[in-house]
Parts: sequence; C-alpha cells; structure tokens
Amino acid sequence: AQSVAQPEDQVNVAEGNPLTVKCTYSVSGNPYLFWYVQYPNRGLQFLLKYITGDNLVKGSYGFEAEFNKSQTSFHLKKPSALVSDSALYFCAVRETGYSTLTFGKGTMLLVSP
Amino acid sequence: SQTIHQWPATLVQPVGSPLSLECTVEGTSNPNLYWYRQAAGRGLQLLFYSVGIGQISSEVPQNLSASRPQDRQFILSSKKLLLSDSGFYLCAWRPTENTEAFFGQGTRLTVV
Repeated sequence: AQSVAQPEDQVNVAEGNPLTVKCTYSVSGNPYLFWYVQYPNRGLQFLLKYITGDNLVKGSYGFEAEFNKSQTSFHLKKPSALVSDSALYFCAVRETGYSTLTFGKGTMLLVSP
Repeated sequence: SQTIHQWPATLVQPVGSPLSLECTVEGTSNPNLYWYRQAAGRGLQLLFYSVGIGQISSEVPQNLSASRPQDRQFILSSKKLLLSDSGFYLCAWRPTENTEAFFGQGTRLTVV
C-alpha cells in the first residue's frame, strides 16, 4: 500500500523568506512523487514531480523539491516566498505499477507581507 | 492541446434527489480517469478510477457510482443524495504513458 504524510497543517512564512513544506511517503517499491497546489474553490495544479534521476527537481513558479530516499521524504522548497504563494499544497505518491495517486491531507501555506 | 472539462461548477441539490456530474477530456485517447472528493477537512479521497471504457474501480463503498460510456467521458452519479455527499468533487485524468495527473476545476456540491 502507498501512503503520504504531510505533518504540518499550516506553514507560516514572511514574504522574501525561504519556505519548506514537508512530505514523507511510504511505498513497497519505487515511488513517483508529486506536488500540487490548490487555490480556493479551484482544482489542483501540478507543480513538479520526481520520477528518477537527480534528487533535486525544479518545477513551476520557482518551486523545487528534494527527494531523499533514505528518509523517504520529498519536501517542497522555495528560496524566496511571495504572498501569492499562499495556497493549499498537496504531496502525492504513485508506486510504479499502480494506477492511482495517493494524496497527503494538504498543508496550508500562508505568506505574510 | 489536452484539456479537461468538468461541470457544473456549483450545484445545490435536495436530499434524496439524483446526481450526475460529468467530466470530459479533449486531445487525448485512452486516458486514466479519476473522481476525487474533497471534504471540508480538505483531504482528497479517491472515489473511482477507470483505465478504459466500461472499466470502473471503486475505492470506497458509498452512495455514489461512476460510469465511462465513452473513452474520454467520466460520469459520477447518485440515485439519492445524502447530506454527507456534500463536498468538492474533482475529476482528473492521466495519460497512460505519463506519470502526473491533471485536474478539472471541480464541482462544489451542497446537499440541503
């Protein structure tokens, strides 16, 4: 079975500061890992993914994520937060050979001016 | 280009009434299709997925059903809505050769 944990319900950061949103996963085999962002009353937007290769992956809007196999983590990062980054962020995993994505419960990111 | 359409955007239905939410994908063939529900607690729950026409897998027992009458059409239905069916319903698709899924804009269902 595949699962994802996002340990923080909310992350608060000041504009211009770096941000990190945490994610850990559990799979039996090799994982595909994803980050999505959701704005109020909207669908999820794809940010970035890890499939294989470099552990640091870059995505949309200046976001990046670091895959750490030993810690089974895939934390989302951004060097300098913007107020417009405030949204709900979801981490997701799909184990190779599976058809379905499993999502974490989401982390609300609030960036203050 | 590939796009996903989900409608309606909002829906208010009385308890006991039927439901039909439709999702269509354009610009692709034989996609994997998914229905998720997002309750007020904001977590995403996978309801149904389909890897082909007429092939539906249900992830949780509930008052809902899904059908895929055409390759790029995925329908979520209920014969009699319950108050607990309220939520934000999201359709998603994934090309079989791809890894990530893409989401529609969602339907806000309120059962009264």
